[in-house]
Amino acid sequence: KQEVTQIPAALSVPEGENLVLNCSFTDSAIYNLQWFRQDPGKGLTSLLLIQSSQREQTSGRLNASLDKSSGRSTLYIAASQPGDSATYLCAVRRVSGGSNYKLTFGKGTLLTVNP
Amino acid sequence: AAGVIQSPRHLIKEKRETATLKCYPIPRHDTVYWYQQGPGQDPQFLISFYEKMQSDKGSIPDRFSAQQFSDYHSELNMSSLELGDSALYFCASSLGLGLVYNEQFFGPGTRLTVL
Repeated sequence: KQEVTQIPAALSVPEGENLVLNCSFTDSAIYNLQWFRQDPGKGLTSLLLIQSSQREQTSGRLNASLDKSSGRSTLYIAASQPGDSATYLCAVRRVSGGSNYKLTFGKGTLLTVNP
Repeated sequence: AAGVIQSPRHLIKEKRETATLKCYPIPRHDTVYWYQQGPGQDPQFLISFYEKMQSDKGSIPDRFSAQQFSDYHSELNMSSLELGDSALYFCASSLGLGLVYNEQFFGPGTRLTVL
């Protein structure tokens, strides 16, 4: 059974700081990995998707890396802003026999960027 | 750009009542997924449909059923509601179940409260 772990559970940083969020998964047979942002009580906004054959993806101030063999992904946020405050979730889509296209989520990292 | 639409956004029901949640995927998306997110929890996969056929099933209670219609919208029917069913229910859609670049886009969610 795929398990996804995110460390740290919460992170508080001053505005302007660069930061890294970590995600690890137990089954390296993944199809892709997505990073999401969730504001309190709101929906999930997809930030980046990395295919299993890729090592990183970039979007603006965000950079996500993937090391499939070690079961790890990181989300790097450059020059953090108070508006980045949210919960960040990673989710993996596992490859398995038959149809298995669901995403398995980590519990998220609650990020607070202080002005 | 059009996003995933869910209705209603909020729903309050009594125990043992029934509820129907609706999901309208992004235009041209043929795959729909349902997830349940309890308070303080990560989203858990319930069920998915591709081209109107069930493609995968997760931890969906027998009291729940779902289907995808010819216009690709989906409905999640929940009967004999229990207090523990109170959660945020997300619908996600994607294009092509088996495509390599299969990014799931999430709707804003329906918040169900069972009293």
